[in-house]
Amino acid sequence: DGGITQSPKYLFRKEGQNVTLSCEQNLNHDAMYWYRQDPGQGLRLIYYSQIVNDFQKGDIAEGYSVSREKKESFPLTVTSAQKNPTAFYLCASSSRAPADTEAFFGQGTRLTVV
Amino acid sequence: GENVGLHLPTLSVQEGDNSIINCAYSNSASDYFIWYKQESGKGPQFIIDIRSNMDKRQGQRVTVLLNKTVKHLSLQIAATQPGDSAVYFCAENIRENSGYALNFGKGTSLLVTP
Repeated sequence: DGGITQSPKYLFRKEGQNVTLSCEQNLNHDAMYWYRQDPGQGLRLIYYSQIVNDFQKGDIAEGYSVSREKKESFPLTVTSAQKNPTAFYLCASSSRAPADTEAFFGQGTRLTVV
Repeated sequence: GENVGLHLPTLSVQEGDNSIINCAYSNSASDYFIWYKQESGKGPQFIIDIRSNMDKRQGQRVTVLLNKTVKHLSLQIAATQPGDSAVYFCAENIRENSGYALNFGKGTSLLVTP
């Protein structure tokens, strides 16, 4: 089935460690996005990529890094520089950018710092 | 910067009644809007979208209205069912750095009571 897959569903990290969240899509979409969601809050844009080998910072990029070496994959690394990393992370993709078509979301990764 | 916001954080309706969820936006350059539904612990799901050259669009049991004069968006759900209980987000496309991404509001929690 076509879709967008995030893994793992739950992730625990010790303070001071980097961790990478996976996002893979087989929808042949050009654009991919990472959002962060805190409890009772909306989605805030971390990074987005409109095409392979290109990505742009969103509103809250500090402490995060991404890569887009393949069209299907857009991994997000939460670095030790991110002061408050515990959150629900959502990856999305859309067929093209500008974002004038619906974005499809993965099921999210819940990251907890212990 | 400009943002998308919602008038009511929570909405409680009885099963069978109609629901109306409102959203105000301030970016007059936005030309595409989407409503998403998010169930607990899951990624957002697309409900319906509308472009700025329209003022109304209907789907199955849902209608989106766009009033560009007052920068207001609403989602109407007819004959609300218990399965409609979720958080609803409106999103607009906005220009971010050198590209476009979807900007989300904080969401409205819809609770359907029997």
